[in-house]
Amino acid sequence: NAGVMQNPRHLVRRRGQEARLRCSPMKGHSHVYWYRQLPEEGLKFMVYLQKENIIDESGMPKERFSAEFPKEGPSILRIQQVVRGDSAAYFCASSPWDLSSYEQYFGPGTRLTVT
Amino acid sequence: DAKTTQPPSMDCAEGRAANLPCNHSTISGNEYVYWYRQIHSQGPQYIIHGLKNNETNEMASLIITEDRKSSTLILPHATLRDTAVYYCIVRVERNAGNMLTFGGGTRLMVKP
Repeated sequence: NAGVMQNPRHLVRRRGQEARLRCSPMKGHSHVYWYRQLPEEGLKFMVYLQKENIIDESGMPKERFSAEFPKEGPSILRIQQVVRGDSAAYFCASSPWDLSSYEQYFGPGTRLTVT
Repeated sequence: DAKTTQPPSMDCAEGRAANLPCNHSTISGNEYVYWYRQIHSQGPQYIIHGLKNNETNEMASLIITEDRKSSTLILPHATLRDTAVYYCIVRVERNAGNMLTFGGGTRLMVKP
């Protein structure tokens, strides 16, 4: 059973470009979470999605950031017009539909560098 | 949200037990204590969780005090590969989700 997959693992963008980060949850998992980790800091929750629904986006910046988890395909975290402050590691986690399982399984992360 | 307090760093000799403390004095009765770790440059890894009783699995043991205001994660025989940042997290249910709120964690250095 493959774990959570994220791609690309490393992404370099110039200021003003768009960044698209992909996350494929574990098989059978229908809940996806995105977290951001700035250099030398802990992980911060960004958004929680189920298939075709955003459940909690309380951690998302108000502008330039969006997330989706379509019926088919991976979850996408999209950052428009990137700035240097967006440079960070972005982690995706998934959990099964049964919320009695409290574990979240994390992917290896995408390291975004904005030049 | 119940906040957690952990020492920023700890050292442990290889082969010895590593005891990582966590204070969560404002924990509510239905909140669980979770432990995750993050090995350098990797995604966090679930270790263990508990509500009231002590828990043990193949990775670690979790000891929760009777008043639930603190807990200790025990790695019984630490290895060099256990060098990581360990996060103690109290889970809060919000919007039917279960997002994790990470604090600063404890940076455990296992030394030969």
